[in-house]
Amino acid sequence: SQQGEEDPQALSIQEGENATMNCSYKTSINNLQWYRQNSGRGLVHLILIRSNEREKHSGRLRVTLDTSKKSSSLLITASRAADTASYFCATDRGDKIIFGKGTRLHILP
Amino acid sequence: EPEVTQTPSHQVTQMGQEVILRCVPISNHLYFYWYRQILGQKVEFLVSFYNNEISEKSEIFDDQFSVERPDGSNFTLKIRSTKLEDSAMYFCASREGGSYNEQFFGPGTRLTVL
Repeated sequence: SQQGEEDPQALSIQEGENATMNCSYKTSINNLQWYRQNSGRGLVHLILIRSNEREKHSGRLRVTLDTSKKSSSLLITASRAADTASYFCATDRGDKIIFGKGTRLHILP
Repeated sequence: EPEVTQTPSHQVTQMGQEVILRCVPISNHLYFYWYRQILGQKVEFLVSFYNNEISEKSEIFDDQFSVERPDGSNFTLKIRSTKLEDSAMYFCASREGGSYNEQFFGPGTRLTVL
């Protein structure tokens, strides 16, 4: 999980399947964000979920947040080859963002 | 759509040289940041900047680092005397303001110190 262990650290799935990545954190937060990074490239902001929200959707992305368990999940439905990337959840710590090590997602043709 | 831009995309320098990494944040944003990512490692916070001063910095951001917003649009990171271990991707980010605004990241500058 982010701010600690990743779950999973790497994930390979067939194109068309759904991909679920999990993240847990240790301190209270105002919001949690998910980012994508293609290999060696920049960080693309995917979605922000506030601490008073439980679920949020954006296209094929669905993010959940459980503040009682200090955990979040990112679901990508109907995966595509272009979804191959590393995915990070990031939490706010004061004004800065704390990233975890990410989940490396590989979509198999 | 507005975006954060960074130049150069790749900078190669000799150890001990000074480098300046440049960023142009999104125009109506008020908060600015630098992060770095050593190859294969996670993204780490370096410094945040608001109202023309540093608001927070990490232990990585030592006296060799400085930031500046010289002209109201650019936001720069200077490393005075580069070390081999400064080799990394450096990301600039900005956000609009308020408690919940997301930070928008630039594409990064890959710094290679030889």
